[in-house]
Amino acid sequence: AQKVTQAQTEISVVEKEDVTLDCVYETRDTTYYLFWYKQPPSGELVFLIRRNSFDEQNEISGRYSWNFQKSTSSFNFTITASQVVDSAVYFCALSEGTNQAGTALIFGKGTTLSVSS
Amino acid sequence: GAVVSQHPSRVICKSGTSVKIECRSLDFQATTMFWYRQFPKQSLMLMATSNEGSKATYEQGVEKDKFLINHASLTLSTLTVTSAHPEDSSFYICSASQGANTGELFFGEGSRLTVL
Repeated sequence: AQKVTQAQTEISVVEKEDVTLDCVYETRDTTYYLFWYKQPPSGELVFLIRRNSFDEQNEISGRYSWNFQKSTSSFNFTITASQVVDSAVYFCALSEGTNQAGTALIFGKGTTLSVSS
Repeated sequence: GAVVSQHPSRVICKSGTSVKIECRSLDFQATTMFWYRQFPKQSLMLMATSNEGSKATYEQGVEKDKFLINHASLTLSTLTVTSAHPEDSSFYICSASQGANTGELFFGEGSRLTVL
């Protein structure tokens, strides 16, 4: 069965600090996708990244970076030089990619990040 | 990227009434749509999967007679909360797949239901 664990429920940092949000997943499939979403107080999910199971390259996008480690089934997300606008709930999610019709995402419980000035 | 629109974004209703939430894929055909529910400060929980032209598949513990899902066309799925009660108050989010097996899903903006 598939499962996503975000062990950190809440994290509080001060502006300009770096912060890493952890995500550990479980799946029996060899083909799967991992995602990170940001959910600000407005509720809308903001897509951050999608990574397939065959691409272990780490990715950097501005202040955001992701570390995908299949050996430890982890897909961690780091925000460098955090800003107050980064305050939100961050969800890690997994989908198994074997269904041609599309597969639902299974979400972790989310990590609430609070960045203070 | 593709756009999925939900309507209404917010709805307040009296207990016992039914509420319909629409989920539209605006620029692509969605063979599959998913409905999620999110209680305050909790994660998104999958409620059901709907495929165009067929009955929805509900997750365990979700009452299909309570949450009616219709996916009548490739661009529209609707969720009707029947005889709503205060415990049905929640944030409902839909997502749509193009069915290309790319793992790509597009989410609507969400609909916040408050039942008085």
